[in-house]
Amino acid sequence: GAVVSQHPSWVICKSGTSVKIECRSLDFQATTMFWYRQFPKKSLMLMATSNEGSKATYEQGVEKDKFLINHASLTLSTLTVTSAHPEDSSFYICSAPRSGSSYNEQFFGPGTRLTVL
Amino acid sequence: AQSVTQPDIHITVSEGASLELRCNYSYGATPYLFWYVQSPGQGLQLLLKYFSGDTLVQGIKGFEAEFKRSQSSFNLRKPSVHWSDAAEYFCAVGGDTGGFKTIFGAGTRLFVKA
Repeated sequence: GAVVSQHPSWVICKSGTSVKIECRSLDFQATTMFWYRQFPKKSLMLMATSNEGSKATYEQGVEKDKFLINHASLTLSTLTVTSAHPEDSSFYICSAPRSGSSYNEQFFGPGTRLTVL
Repeated sequence: AQSVTQPDIHITVSEGASLELRCNYSYGATPYLFWYVQSPGQGLQLLLKYFSGDTLVQGIKGFEAEFKRSQSSFNLRKPSVHWSDAAEYFCAVGGDTGGFKTIFGAGTRLFVKA
């Protein structure tokens, strides 16, 4: 099956710093990728849709200046948490639909756990 | 608006007993429905999906789900639960509208007792 990777798998940073999380589709091209945030013992909240070659589309309530998304190529999307604070600590998951597969055959990355001290 | 409701926050079943996890959805068009499982600290694994056709779909690990349009439901079932099935289960909906986004329910935590 299709594989989506995320890097890093976990990161600890100091408050005020920025953290970049990468999402890669390893064996297929993805013009669209999705970023989710999952709080402890909670569901996945869709944050934004990453579009290759154009601006990301953010869900209501998500700060676009806080969570910068860049979809630089057909296999890579990055999420940068700028000026991170402890409340940004969470589990971030990306997904990518594979073109040509059944609709919305989303393949999820393993997630990145961010802890902001 | 698209939404998914999983009314049970957690469920406890005995090993070997049958299981049913409930899921109701709201979607303005033909829904595409999914069940995912997540073990602690892990990513999501797709159990099964419904796009069209037979309303009873079979998935991995012995799971099945039945799509009932009249009830806007997509309940997950397993005839005999194993201790390794203890995990968080998410129902999700997507479709041609909304840019192929997938919306998740709140999840149901399954506990299995010996």
